[in-house]
Amino acid sequence: SQQGEEDPQALSIQEGENATMNCSYKTSINNLQWYRQNSGRGLVHLILIRSNEREKHSGRLRVTLDTSKKSSSLLITASRAADTASYFCATDAGGKLIFGQGTELSVKP
Amino acid sequence: EADIYQTPRYLVIGTGKKITLECSQTMGHDKMYWYQQDPGMELHLIHYSYGVNSTEKGDLSSESTVSRIRTEHFPLTLESARPSHTSQYLCASNDNTDTQYFGPGTRLTVL
Repeated sequence: SQQGEEDPQALSIQEGENATMNCSYKTSINNLQWYRQNSGRGLVHLILIRSNEREKHSGRLRVTLDTSKKSSSLLITASRAADTASYFCATDAGGKLIFGQGTELSVKP
Repeated sequence: EADIYQTPRYLVIGTGKKITLECSQTMGHDKMYWYQQDPGMELHLIHYSYGVNSTEKGDLSSESTVSRIRTEHFPLTLESARPSHTSQYLCASNDNTDTQYFGPGTRLTVL
């Protein structure tokens, strides 16, 4: 079974609103990463949070990690139409990444 | 932009053909990976390599094979393509950091 499960599967919001995506996993991890994928393209790394960290920021991105609940969330503030993409969490438990199913975010102008 | 390249970007072939998907990176990374991704779905690791002459199978069983003769090059080969191989194939690499850098992918369609 998949290590990472994400919800929602799809999210549609208006420009300027915040978008929150959640990821749950099953086993102990070294770190958790979030990637973005534009349609039909490769993935781009957004942010990494280590197992001993609880929160991390990068620009308009905020990631939290709760190892007791084995969950993480990605918040995109003040969303833009250009943020439209699929977002994947990936857990690293030993050098290899295991990806969730992704959240498809649509930001309407 | 990551310096990792995949060719071809799109490939449509008939059943039974042998194909090789190319992946190369100019970052000097020791670790390289191949993932398979169906539309709207998660990525599944099918092969990885931690250095020259080192290759391992990933978590998802695949009929493809890989080779790593040079650090910068990690081709994936299907000896006899079938419609069930239709998918997107993504190559990635990293060094001793945890972040992986992805190529643009090859979208394969087997008729």
